[in-house]
Amino acid sequence: GAGVSQSPSNKVTEKGKDVELRCDPISGHTALYWYRQSLGQGLEFLIYFQGNSAPDKSGLPSDRFSAERTGGSVSTLTIQRTQQEDSAVYLCASSLARLAGGYNEQFFGPGTRLTVL
Amino acid sequence: GENVEQHPSTLSVQEGDSAVIKCTYSDSASNYFPWYKQELGKGPQLIIDIRSNVGEKKDQRIAVTLNKTAKHFSLHITETQPEDSAVYFCAASGGEGSNYKLTFGKGTLLTVNP
Repeated sequence: GAGVSQSPSNKVTEKGKDVELRCDPISGHTALYWYRQSLGQGLEFLIYFQGNSAPDKSGLPSDRFSAERTGGSVSTLTIQRTQQEDSAVYLCASSLARLAGGYNEQFFGPGTRLTVL
Repeated sequence: GENVEQHPSTLSVQEGDSAVIKCTYSDSASNYFPWYKQELGKGPQLIIDIRSNVGEKKDQRIAVTLNKTAKHFSLHITETQPEDSAVYFCAASGGEGSNYKLTFGKGTLLTVNP
């Protein structure tokens, strides 16, 4: 079946502009995650959605970053007034709901490479 | 919060040799340790994981060991092949306040030379 998809695959923008990145999770996955991967770095957690629960936004680096998940499916990560340090690959992942005491594999999309000039 | 250190950052081996990547973590409450492989231009893909009630797990040429006392875990790839060349990430989860978040190491670029 289809995996996690993200669009666009590449985005080049000018400093100060707003950008929206989209994630389509695997059908039936209620958990959705956004990560940021900077050059030579590991993946940095940004935000987590689980069903209708309030999202965990603890990883968002500043108030310029926000994310929504509509209808429990598609998610959009928005970065306002982009800065050069926002340049990175933004990865989305989805998983089945986590069972008590258990873990479900996170399936990653191919990412969106954001370049802020 | 959790902190995961990964070594080495780069590793070059000859085809057929073994490769070992090591990670340490800081939160003793962490209890889930996955390893991901990321090929160029693609998202990370889970290759093996281990839970804290297990000391070792093996899947064909790949094995992971976990030492909870020392808070470190390792990935072992035997009989390496050129297609094993990729960036490998370790991660930890399940610690205090983060029972779903994965904290990743910075990655190891593995190159298998034919």
